[in-house]
Amino acid sequence: KAGVTQTPRYLIKTRGQQVTLSCSPISGHRSVSWYQQTPGQGLQFLFEYFSETQRNKGNFPGRFSGRQFSNSRSEMNVSTLELGDSALYLCASSLVSLGTYNEQFFGPGTRLTVL
Amino acid sequence: AQKITQTQPGMFVQEKEAVTLDCTYDTSDPSYGLFWYKQPSSGEMIFLIYQGSYDQQNATEGRYSLNFQKARKSANLVISASQLGDSAMYFCAMRGIIQGAQKLVFGQGTRLTINP
Repeated sequence: KAGVTQTPRYLIKTRGQQVTLSCSPISGHRSVSWYQQTPGQGLQFLFEYFSETQRNKGNFPGRFSGRQFSNSRSEMNVSTLELGDSALYLCASSLVSLGTYNEQFFGPGTRLTVL
Repeated sequence: AQKITQTQPGMFVQEKEAVTLDCTYDTSDPSYGLFWYKQPSSGEMIFLIYQGSYDQQNATEGRYSLNFQKARKSANLVISASQLGDSAMYFCAMRGIIQGAQKLVFGQGTRLTINP
Protein backbone atom coordinates (compact mmCIF):
# COMPACT_ATOMS: atom_id res chain seq x y z
CA LYS A 1 0.00 0.00 0.00
CA ALA A 2 1.42 3.38 -1.01
CA GLY A 3 2.15 5.87 1.75
CA VAL A 4 1.14 9.49 2.08
CA THR A 5 2.47 11.58 -0.78
CA GLN A 6 3.01 15.31 -0.82
CA THR A 7 3.76 17.56 -3.74
CA PRO A 8 5.85 19.48 -4.36
CA ARG A 9 8.68 18.44 -2.04
CA TYR A 10 10.41 21.80 -2.24
CA LEU A 11 9.09 25.23 -3.05
CA ILE A 12 10.57 28.71 -3.14
CA LYS A 13 8.27 31.72 -3.18
CA THR A 14 8.55 35.43 -2.52
CA ARG A 15 6.69 37.52 0.02
CA GLY A 16 3.16 38.39 -1.00
CA GLN A 17 2.70 35.40 -3.29
CA GLN A 18 0.36 32.54 -2.60
CA VAL A 19 1.07 28.83 -2.60
CA THR A 20 -0.89 25.60 -2.82
CA LEU A 21 0.41 22.35 -1.39
CA SER A 22 -1.07 18.96 -2.15
CA CYS A 23 -1.44 15.80 -0.09
CA SER A 24 -2.66 12.38 -1.17
CA PRO A 25 -3.51 10.15 1.80
CA ILE A 26 -3.09 6.42 2.09
CA SER A 27 -5.79 4.63 0.16
CA GLY A 28 -8.87 4.22 2.33
CA HIS A 29 -7.90 6.94 4.78
CA ARG A 30 -10.52 9.64 5.07
CA SER A 31 -8.84 12.03 7.50
CA VAL A 32 -6.08 14.41 6.47
CA SER A 33 -4.31 16.73 8.89
CA TRP A 34 -1.80 19.45 8.17
CA TYR A 35 1.09 20.59 10.37
CA GLN A 36 3.67 23.34 10.19
CA GLN A 37 7.14 22.59 11.52
CA THR A 38 9.65 25.36 12.22
CA PRO A 39 12.81 25.36 14.36
CA GLY A 40 11.37 28.00 16.65
CA GLN A 41 7.78 26.86 17.10
CA GLY A 42 8.19 23.14 16.53
CA LEU A 43 5.28 21.15 15.16
CA GLN A 44 1.98 22.98 15.14
CA PHE A 45 -1.40 21.69 14.07
CA LEU A 46 -2.99 23.63 11.24
CA PHE A 47 -6.26 21.83 10.49
CA GLU A 48 -7.88 18.51 9.84
CA TYR A 49 -10.28 17.48 7.13
CA PHE A 50 -12.55 14.49 7.24
CA SER A 51 -14.98 13.55 4.48
CA GLU A 52 -14.46 16.91 2.76
CA THR A 53 -15.28 18.89 5.91
CA GLN A 54 -12.91 20.78 8.16
CA ARG A 55 -13.26 19.08 11.53
CA ASN A 56 -10.56 20.73 13.60
CA LYS A 57 -8.53 23.88 13.32
CA GLY A 58 -5.38 25.21 14.95
CA ASN A 59 -4.48 28.78 15.81
CA PHE A 60 -3.33 30.07 12.47
CA PRO A 61 -4.48 33.21 10.64
CA GLY A 62 -7.04 33.08 7.88
CA ARG A 63 -4.28 33.23 5.27
CA PHE A 64 -3.96 29.50 5.86
CA SER A 65 -6.80 27.52 4.34
CA GLY A 66 -7.44 24.08 3.04
CA ARG A 67 -9.90 21.78 1.40
CA GLN A 68 -10.47 18.12 0.81
CA PHE A 69 -11.81 16.46 -2.29
CA SER A 70 -14.14 13.51 -2.62
CA ASN A 71 -11.18 11.17 -3.17
CA SER A 72 -9.76 12.38 0.20
CA ARG A 73 -6.90 14.24 -1.43
CA SER A 74 -6.30 17.54 0.31
CA GLU A 75 -4.81 20.88 -0.60
CA MET A 76 -3.50 23.59 1.66
CA ASN A 77 -3.30 27.18 0.52
CA VAL A 78 -1.33 30.03 2.03
CA SER A 79 -2.06 33.49 0.68
CA THR A 80 0.03 36.65 1.02
CA LEU A 81 3.13 34.75 2.07
CA GLU A 82 5.32 36.12 4.85
CA LEU A 83 8.93 35.30 5.66
CA GLY A 84 7.76 33.50 8.79
CA ASP A 85 5.78 31.04 6.70
CA SER A 86 9.02 29.34 5.72
CA ALA A 87 8.67 25.87 7.19
CA LEU A 88 8.27 22.18 6.59
CA TYR A 89 4.60 21.46 5.99
CA LEU A 90 3.60 17.96 6.91
CA CYS A 91 0.46 16.16 5.95
CA ALA A 92 -0.83 13.13 7.84
CA SER A 93 -3.62 10.72 7.11
CA SER A 94 -5.59 8.35 9.27
CA LEU A 95 -8.54 6.05 8.83
CA VAL A 96 -10.89 8.18 10.86
CA SER A 97 -10.97 11.61 12.40
CA LEU A 98 -8.63 12.68 15.19
CA GLY A 99 -11.43 12.03 17.66
CA THR A 100 -10.69 8.33 17.85
CA TYR A 101 -7.69 6.18 18.66
CA ASN A 102 -6.04 5.98 15.29
CA GLU A 103 -2.45 6.78 14.58
CA GLN A 104 -1.59 9.20 11.84
CA PHE A 105 0.76 8.38 9.00
CA PHE A 106 2.84 11.27 7.81
CA GLY A 107 4.05 12.22 4.38
CA PRO A 108 7.60 13.39 3.59
CA GLY A 109 6.59 17.03 3.81
CA THR A 110 6.87 20.08 1.59
CA ARG A 111 9.69 22.43 2.46
CA LEU A 112 8.55 25.98 1.71
CA THR A 113 11.05 28.82 1.60
CA VAL A 114 9.75 32.38 1.42
CA LEU A 115 12.25 34.98 0.22
CA ALA B 1 -4.30 23.69 28.51
CA GLN B 2 -2.86 20.68 26.73
CA LYS B 3 0.90 20.66 26.84
CA ILE B 4 3.70 18.23 26.09
CA THR B 5 7.15 18.70 27.60
CA GLN B 6 10.31 17.00 26.45
CA THR B 7 13.13 18.18 28.68
CA GLN B 8 16.03 16.59 26.80
CA PRO B 9 16.97 18.63 23.73
CA GLY B 10 19.69 16.14 22.86
CA MET B 11 20.96 12.75 23.98
CA PHE B 12 24.06 10.76 23.11
CA VAL B 13 24.05 7.01 23.64
CA GLN B 14 26.43 4.19 22.81
CA GLU B 15 25.23 1.62 20.33
CA LYS B 16 23.47 -1.38 21.90
CA GLU B 17 22.64 0.50 25.08
CA ALA B 18 19.05 1.13 26.15
CA VAL B 19 17.84 4.71 26.09
CA THR B 20 14.91 6.46 27.75
CA LEU B 21 13.42 9.60 26.23
CA ASP B 22 11.38 11.65 28.67
CA CYS B 23 7.93 13.04 28.06
CA THR B 24 5.52 14.67 30.47
CA TYR B 25 2.10 15.95 29.60
CA ASP B 26 -0.58 18.12 31.05
CA THR B 27 -4.29 17.71 30.39
CA SER B 28 -7.57 17.88 32.23
CA ASP B 29 -9.26 15.62 29.69
CA PRO B 30 -9.71 12.06 31.09
CA SER B 31 -9.62 10.62 27.58
CA TYR B 32 -6.44 11.15 25.62
CA GLY B 33 -3.87 9.34 23.56
CA LEU B 34 -0.10 9.54 23.66
CA PHE B 35 2.10 8.96 20.64
CA TRP B 36 5.78 8.80 19.88
CA TYR B 37 7.15 9.65 16.44
CA LYS B 38 10.62 9.42 14.96
CA GLN B 39 11.78 12.00 12.44
CA PRO B 40 14.98 11.16 10.54
CA SER B 41 16.88 13.85 8.69
CA SER B 42 14.72 13.15 5.63
CA GLY B 43 11.85 14.88 7.42
CA GLU B 44 9.21 12.18 7.37
CA MET B 45 7.48 11.47 10.69
CA ILE B 46 7.42 7.78 11.51
CA PHE B 47 4.85 6.48 13.99
CA LEU B 48 6.45 4.35 16.70
CA ILE B 49 4.03 3.61 19.49
CA TYR B 50 0.68 4.59 20.98
CA GLN B 51 -0.74 4.55 24.53
CA GLY B 52 -4.35 5.28 25.38
CA SER B 53 -5.21 6.94 28.67
CA TYR B 54 -7.38 4.00 29.70
CA ASP B 55 -4.90 1.31 28.69
CA GLN B 56 -3.86 -0.75 31.70
CA GLN B 57 -0.73 -2.20 30.14
CA ASN B 58 2.29 -0.30 28.90
CA ALA B 59 2.45 -0.32 25.11
CA THR B 60 5.25 -2.22 23.38
CA GLU B 61 6.25 -2.42 19.71
CA GLY B 62 9.39 -4.42 19.05
CA ARG B 63 12.34 -2.57 20.58
CA TYR B 64 10.09 0.30 21.63
CA SER B 65 8.14 0.42 24.87
CA LEU B 66 6.25 3.21 26.53
CA ASN B 67 6.64 3.65 30.27
CA PHE B 68 3.23 5.12 31.08
CA GLN B 69 2.87 6.57 34.57
CA LYS B 70 -0.56 8.15 34.58
CA ALA B 71 -0.43 9.66 38.07
CA ARG B 72 2.83 11.39 37.24
CA LYS B 73 1.58 12.30 33.76
CA SER B 74 4.63 10.88 32.11
CA ALA B 75 4.97 8.75 28.98
CA ASN B 76 8.64 7.97 28.48
CA LEU B 77 9.84 6.08 25.42
CA VAL B 78 12.32 3.28 26.03
CA ILE B 79 14.40 1.97 23.15
CA SER B 80 16.18 -1.25 23.92
CA ALA B 81 19.45 -2.28 22.26
CA SER B 82 19.90 0.98 20.36
CA GLN B 83 21.14 0.91 16.77
CA LEU B 84 22.91 3.50 14.63
CA GLY B 85 19.73 3.87 12.60
CA ASP B 86 17.91 5.09 15.69
CA SER B 87 19.68 8.44 15.41
CA ALA B 88 16.90 10.95 14.73
CA MET B 89 14.57 13.47 16.32
CA TYR B 90 11.92 11.93 18.55
CA PHE B 91 8.63 13.63 19.26
CA CYS B 92 6.11 12.89 21.95
CA ALA B 93 2.56 13.92 21.10
CA MET B 94 -0.82 13.93 22.77
CA ARG B 95 -4.25 13.79 21.22
CA GLY B 96 -6.87 15.56 23.24
CA ILE B 97 -9.48 18.25 23.30
CA ILE B 98 -8.05 21.73 22.96
CA GLN B 99 -10.42 24.65 22.77
CA GLY B 100 -13.30 22.32 22.06
CA ALA B 101 -11.68 20.42 19.23
CA GLN B 102 -9.65 17.25 18.96
CA LYS B 103 -6.04 18.09 18.19
CA LEU B 104 -2.64 16.51 18.24
CA VAL B 105 -0.07 18.50 20.23
CA PHE B 106 3.64 17.80 19.91
CA GLY B 107 6.54 18.34 22.27
CA GLN B 108 9.68 20.16 21.15
CA GLY B 109 11.48 16.92 20.46
CA THR B 110 14.68 15.19 21.55
CA ARG B 111 17.57 14.68 19.16
CA LEU B 112 19.01 11.23 19.77
CA THR B 113 22.48 10.39 18.52
CA ILE B 114 23.72 6.81 18.68
CA ASN B 115 27.49 6.53 18.76
CA PRO B 116 29.27 3.43 17.39
